[in-house]
Amino acid sequence: GAGVSQSPRYKVAKRGQDVALRCDPISGHVSLFWYQQALGQGPEFLTYFQNEAQLDKSGLPSDRFFAERPEGSVSTLKIQRTQQEDSAVYLCASSDTGSSYNSPLHFGNGTRLTVT
Amino acid sequence: AQSVTQLDSQVPVFEEAPVELRCNYSSSVSVYLFWYVQYPNQGLQLLLKYLSGSTLVKGINGFEAEFNKSQTSFHLRKPSVHISDTAEYFCAVIGPGYSTLTFGKGTMLLVSP
Repeated sequence: GAGVSQSPRYKVAKRGQDVALRCDPISGHVSLFWYQQALGQGPEFLTYFQNEAQLDKSGLPSDRFFAERPEGSVSTLKIQRTQQEDSAVYLCASSDTGSSYNSPLHFGNGTRLTVT
Repeated sequence: AQSVTQLDSQVPVFEEAPVELRCNYSSSVSVYLFWYVQYPNQGLQLLLKYLSGSTLVKGINGFEAEFNKSQTSFHLRKPSVHISDTAEYFCAVIGPGYSTLTFGKGTMLLVSP
């Protein structure tokens, strides 16, 4: 079966542009997570959905970041007025239950965003 | 707050040598611990996890890790590495009240012939 799919694979944006990053989780997976991975760092949590409900957005760094999952499957992470510090790899992960303890996270290959 | 410290940013080893990648966590309560591996240009894959029970956990690709509560450590080991083990390894923790994992900064394992 297909894994977690993210698109685009690479995105170059000029400072100030808006971008939208897409995540297709594994079919039937309840939970979906977004992480930001800066160069040389580990993934840092951004936000978490259970079905269509956004249960935790405490990791979003500013109000320029917005995520949605309107039908409980595909999710989009939108960044408005991009800044250079937004340059990073954005990782999406999904799991088949609402618990991060017992269900492994399945990660996509990420979207590498470069803001020039 | 939960946090993870990976003490080495890079570990170079020769093929067939043993390796240990160190991980220490900080939490005032019981936690669950994980190791993930990231091959170049790929997403993270779960290597192994500790939830409860035996403190020695075996994972995929011949890796194992030992949970040590008194030292708050969860070091990853492999008795004999292959070139194909070259990758970045991330230790992660989750505790009560948290939605998801907190990752360390990663350790790059470089295996040379």
